[in-house]
Amino acid sequence: GENVEQHPSTLSVQEGDSAVIKCTYSDSASNYFPWYKQELGKGPQLIIDIRSNVGEKKDQRIAVTLNKTAKHFSLHITETQPEDSAVYFCAATDSWGKLQFGAGTQVVVTP
Amino acid sequence: NAGVTQTPKFQVLKTGQSMTLQCAQDMNHNSMYWYRQDPGMGLRLIYYSASEGTTDKGEVPNGYNVSRLNKREFSLRLESAAPSQTSVYFCASSEGGQETQYFGPGTRLLVL
Repeated sequence: GENVEQHPSTLSVQEGDSAVIKCTYSDSASNYFPWYKQELGKGPQLIIDIRSNVGEKKDQRIAVTLNKTAKHFSLHITETQPEDSAVYFCAATDSWGKLQFGAGTQVVVTP
Repeated sequence: NAGVTQTPKFQVLKTGQSMTLQCAQDMNHNSMYWYRQDPGMGLRLIYYSASEGTTDKGEVPNGYNVSRLNKREFSLRLESAAPSQTSVYFCASSEGGQETQYFGPGTRLLVL
């Protein structure tokens, strides 16, 4: 089955700097890769997603890149702000179309 | 438009007790999911329902049962709770299998 690995597990950045989170997946049939942000005490919320026919997607300060050959995808947050502090999860669909999640990255943005 | 709602928000059970977690969505979505979230392990799929009238096992189904009551509602039942089922449970819904999943606020369950 699909296995998604996510690194790093914690990331501390200075406000205004960039943050990068990387994920790898194992199932070559995976074709949908969403990223979720989870604030304390709340459910995960989709922030951006990418499908396998696209290499990069950007939405304001957030961008995601996908390398299907290497089976890895990354989340980039530029000009980080304190409200970006949260846990971020990557995910990939398995052969049955179900999502497999990474273990999460705790991002802390310090003023 | 409330999205995905879950009840209760928090529950304490004794080992062996039973309970049902309720989930409802008002987005007319076909697919619904139950996940559990444990520290350092991300979200793991317990059961899902691809469409009304169907349910299938996910990655960690043991100790749980589900019912897709209608298109809006998908419940998760613990017949005999165990301390290993202490977790945060999230319900989610989507239009289809590879579409955006929308999550509820979660149910925090403590089994003593």
